[in-house]
Amino acid sequence: KAGVTQTPRYLIKTRGQQVTLSCSPISGHRSVSWYQQTPGQGLQFLFEYFSETQRNKGNFPGRFSGRQFSNSRSEMNVSTLELGDSALYLCASSLSGQGIVTGELFFGEGSRLTVL
Amino acid sequence: AQSVSQHNHHVILSEAASLELGCNYSYGGTVNLFWYVQYPGQHLQLLLKYFSGDPLVKGIKGFEAEFIKSKFSFNLRKPSVQWSDTAEYFCAVNALGFQKLVFGTGTRLLVSP
Repeated sequence: KAGVTQTPRYLIKTRGQQVTLSCSPISGHRSVSWYQQTPGQGLQFLFEYFSETQRNKGNFPGRFSGRQFSNSRSEMNVSTLELGDSALYLCASSLSGQGIVTGELFFGEGSRLTVL
Repeated sequence: AQSVSQHNHHVILSEAASLELGCNYSYGGTVNLFWYVQYPGQHLQLLLKYFSGDPLVKGIKGFEAEFIKSKFSFNLRKPSVQWSDTAEYFCAVNALGFQKLVFGTGTRLLVSP
């Protein structure tokens, strides 16, 4: 079956712009979580959604937001982009709402954002 | 707040050498612990996990990890590495009751043939 699909795979933006990233989970998976991966910080948790509800949020400014749709697809948005937002943004899905607890997460290939 | 420390950022080994990657976490309560691996050009995937019971857990590809509660550590080991183990390894912790997974900064392992 198809894995977690993230679009776009690569994008370049300039400071001050906003960006929307999309994540389509594995069919049947209801939980989606987002992570920011940078060389110096590793993976940092952004937020987690289950059945369209955000259940937890990481320590990121309000410029970072997300949502989940009824078909479990999720989007994250970053407004007023800064140079430091350049990163690989990873999405992970899990079948149950306990993927973050059990570690049974399926990751996508990520969306690589470069902010100039 | 929970945090995870991986002290080795880059490790270079020759094939057949033994591997130990350090992982320490900060949280006083019950935790679930994980090691994930990201091979070049591939998705991040779960290598092994610890919930409770035997503190020595075995994962895929000959990897194992030992949970030492008194040291808040969950070190990853492999007796004899192969070139195909070249990857980035991430330790992660979930504190019981929190819907959040906290990762370390990762360790890049390069195994030379």
